[in-house]
Amino acid sequence: NAGVTQTPKFQVLKTGQSMTLQCAQDMNHNSMYWYRQDPGMGLRLIYYSASEGTTDKGEVPNGYNVSRLNKREFSLRLESAAPSQTSVYFCATRRGAGNQPQHFGDGTRLSIL
Amino acid sequence: KQEVTQIPAALSVPEGENLVLNCSFTDSAIYNLQWFRQDPGKGLTSLLLIQSSQREQTSGRLNASLDKSSGRSTLYIAASQPGDSATYLCAVLGTNAGKSTFGDGTTLTVKP
Repeated sequence: NAGVTQTPKFQVLKTGQSMTLQCAQDMNHNSMYWYRQDPGMGLRLIYYSASEGTTDKGEVPNGYNVSRLNKREFSLRLESAAPSQTSVYFCATRRGAGNQPQHFGDGTRLSIL
Repeated sequence: KQEVTQIPAALSVPEGENLVLNCSFTDSAIYNLQWFRQDPGKGLTSLLLIQSSQREQTSGRLNASLDKSSGRSTLYIAASQPGDSATYLCAVLGTNAGKSTFGDGTTLTVKP
């Protein structure tokens, strides 16, 4: 999707390994979000950043850390990957106000063996 | 805690039919409701956004309605086409936090 870029698109890790998922946006939006999507569980919010310099926990933050590096970039880190973290991860942005739509990246498909 | 439900989970229709997808939510204190389309292996594409003060929004063959008092939204698709086949999700943005709650989606198949 135009405007929100996620890297990598695919990744396979072994249990215990660490990695960082990257998200960058060129839409000049203030708010950024990390979700995971699992079959039968829908989209669940991991962390979000309402503005540069702030981050807050979402519904399922355990096992993850985030960094809002600047207005454009919001990274998600798995310090010690577990098989339960196998999922599709989506980054999303919103201009900032409650009446603005969310925009999503194409996702990162992560498998943990 | 906001809960969002989409029924049915899957729907199959012949090409040309008009159809309605349903979304219900438990907490009416919302900023807006957004409908998305998701194709297999892809991200979510925004279709329509309805503000809490609005009753409906239209874009082409799509019409979304919102009844906040009853906690319901519908997405109406007119003259369905095979290219409409996808999963449709609704998301509610609550007023008490800057976070959206998503339904599990309805997977639509339009048969030629």
